[in-house]
Amino acid sequence: EDQVTQSPEALRLQEGESSSLNCSYTVSGLRGLFWYRQDPGKGPEFLFTLYSAGEEKEKERLKATLTKKESFLHITAPKPEDSATYLCAVQGDGSSNTGKLIFGQGTTLQVKP
Amino acid sequence: GAVVSQHPSWVICKSGTSVKIECRSLDFQATTMFWYRQFPKQSLMLMATSNEGSKATYEQGVEKDKFLINHASLTLSTLTVTSAHPEDSSFYICSAGRTGYEQYFGPGTRLTVT
Repeated sequence: EDQVTQSPEALRLQEGESSSLNCSYTVSGLRGLFWYRQDPGKGPEFLFTLYSAGEEKEKERLKATLTKKESFLHITAPKPEDSATYLCAVQGDGSSNTGKLIFGQGTTLQVKP
Repeated sequence: GAVVSQHPSWVICKSGTSVKIECRSLDFQATTMFWYRQFPKQSLMLMATSNEGSKATYEQGVEKDKFLINHASLTLSTLTVTSAHPEDSSFYICSAGRTGYEQYFGPGTRLTVT
């Protein structure tokens, strides 16, 4: 069964204090791993797609990396506006025809000024 | 690009009435649309997958007769909550799929049933 586990559940950082969020996954034939950001009361906002181990993508202060078992979302010198819940999701071979995503529970990040 | 809209953004209805929520992909054609439900401080729960012109595929435990999904075109899907009850109160979010496997999400609809 495809499964995604994110850690930690919650993370508090001081502005400028870099850290990483973890997403561990088990999936039958990874087709893609996705990172989203969700603000309270809003829909998830697409950040990155990673397709194969070793791949990395960056956007502003965020960098996503992928291995065969996990993905990391690195946040460099975060600002208060980076506060949000970050969701990780995978799509495997079993759901490639439907596009179904399996989501983790998310990591809620709070960055204090 | 890749903008998905939902309407309404919030709705209050009385118990026993039906509510329709629209999901539109504004700048791309979505072969597949998805409907999720999200409870406070929890992750997204997939309710159903819909493809244009065909019947929706519901996840286990989701009542097909209560949550009616219609995917009329490549840019529009609707979710109708029939005979709504207070326990149906939730945050409903749609997403639209495009090539490359990404799903783009709408802003969500907050439903409150009184």
